[in-house]
Amino acid sequence: KAGVTQTPRYLIKTRGQQVTLSCSPISGHRSVSWYQQTPGQGLQFLFEYFSETQRNKGNFPGRFSGRQFSNSRSEMNVSTLELGDSALYLCASSLEPPSGGAGEQFFGPGTRLTVL
Amino acid sequence: AQSVTQLDSHVSVSEGTPVLLRCNYSSSYSPSLFWYVQHPNKGLQLLLKYTSAATLVKGINGFEAEFKKSETSFHLTKPSAHMSDAAEYFCVVSDRSGYSTLTFGKGTMLLVSP
Repeated sequence: KAGVTQTPRYLIKTRGQQVTLSCSPISGHRSVSWYQQTPGQGLQFLFEYFSETQRNKGNFPGRFSGRQFSNSRSEMNVSTLELGDSALYLCASSLEPPSGGAGEQFFGPGTRLTVL
Repeated sequence: AQSVTQLDSHVSVSEGTPVLLRCNYSSSYSPSLFWYVQHPNKGLQLLLKYTSAATLVKGINGFEAEFKKSETSFHLTKPSAHMSDAAEYFCVVSDRSGYSTLTFGKGTMLLVSP
């Protein structure tokens, strides 16, 4: 079974631009979560989608948004990029909806975003 | 609210010696707890998870962790370190309030010397 895939793996943008990152979950997984990883802040939760609905959102500004499609693939978008948005963005998928506690989440390799 | 504290940012061991990575957690609900490992330029891989079954949890690659509610701890151990264990380890908590949000610790970098 293929793992979680993220595209692109590396991205370089300039301040003020916008960017879209893509995540394809493991086949059959309907829950997709996004995380930002930086040296200073560590791993922080961005948002989680299940059945095309955003179920939970972390403490990030409105410039960060996402969506999920009917095939469970997900995209996240960052508008008006700032230097501080440079990070590794990780996507994770899981089988079950979150009710009753977290199931195991499977992580993709991440997209390394550099903002110049 | 939930939080995780990994007590050491770096741990250095010699190959063949025991490993202990310490983690304390705080959760408003009965938590699920995980340890993930991240090798350089790789994604996160689940080592083990606790979800209210046995308090001593065995994971992959010889790692295990013990859930101690009275101490709110979930320390990760391995009897004998291998060079390939060198990586960053994350202790993670998720409460059972109905969301799958994972809260990560800051990470512990494990260095293994020959």
